[in-house]
Amino acid sequence: KAGVTQTPRYLIKTRGQQVTLSCSPISGHRSVSWYQQTPGQGLQFLFEYFSETQRNKGNFPGRFSGRQFSNSRSEMNVSTLELGDSALYLCASSLGDTQETQYFGPGTRLLVL
Amino acid sequence: GEDVEQSLFLSVREGDSSVINCTYTDSSSTYLYWYKQEPGAGLQLLTYIFSNMDMKQDQRLTVLLNKKDKHLSLRIADTQTGDSAIYFCAESIRSGNTGKLIFGQGTTLQVKP
Repeated sequence: KAGVTQTPRYLIKTRGQQVTLSCSPISGHRSVSWYQQTPGQGLQFLFEYFSETQRNKGNFPGRFSGRQFSNSRSEMNVSTLELGDSALYLCASSLGDTQETQYFGPGTRLLVL
Repeated sequence: GEDVEQSLFLSVREGDSSVINCTYTDSSSTYLYWYKQEPGAGLQLLTYIFSNMDMKQDQRLTVLLNKKDKHLSLRIADTQTGDSAIYFCAESIRSGNTGKLIFGQGTTLQVKP
């Protein structure tokens, strides 16, 4: 089975712009979670989607949003980028039922200038 | 509260055993995880333990769980230079039918030849 894939792998944007990141989960997995990793704050939970619905949300401003499609693929969007949004964004997939083990993709490294 | 603590750095010689420790706060966690991150990569699931278990062994990896003290450890036997990486402990926080992972700061394992 193919693992979790994320595109693009690297991205450079400037302040004020917006960005969309994509994640394709493992085949058969219905839950997709997003995490932000920075040197200062470590790994922090952004949100989780299941069956096209946001099931859980972390403590991030409304500039961070996401969605999930009927094929379980997910996108996250960050609007009005700030320098502090520079981070590795990791997507994880799980079956979404009682088996909650999350498998991570390689991440998208975002640099905001 | 939701908090996971790890020591930041561990250095061992090749062939020795490595023990990485972690403490967590949420007593309702169902699963506890160990992930490995190599430079520039995403998180690789190493192993996990269900909260009603005391120990789990998987080849060179041994996980010990002391639920009373909320203490988790990962022992790597016969540590190799390829084991050099950052190791993250994570607890699964469930809320109804959804969950998220809370990560420690990560322990950098340095393996000297």
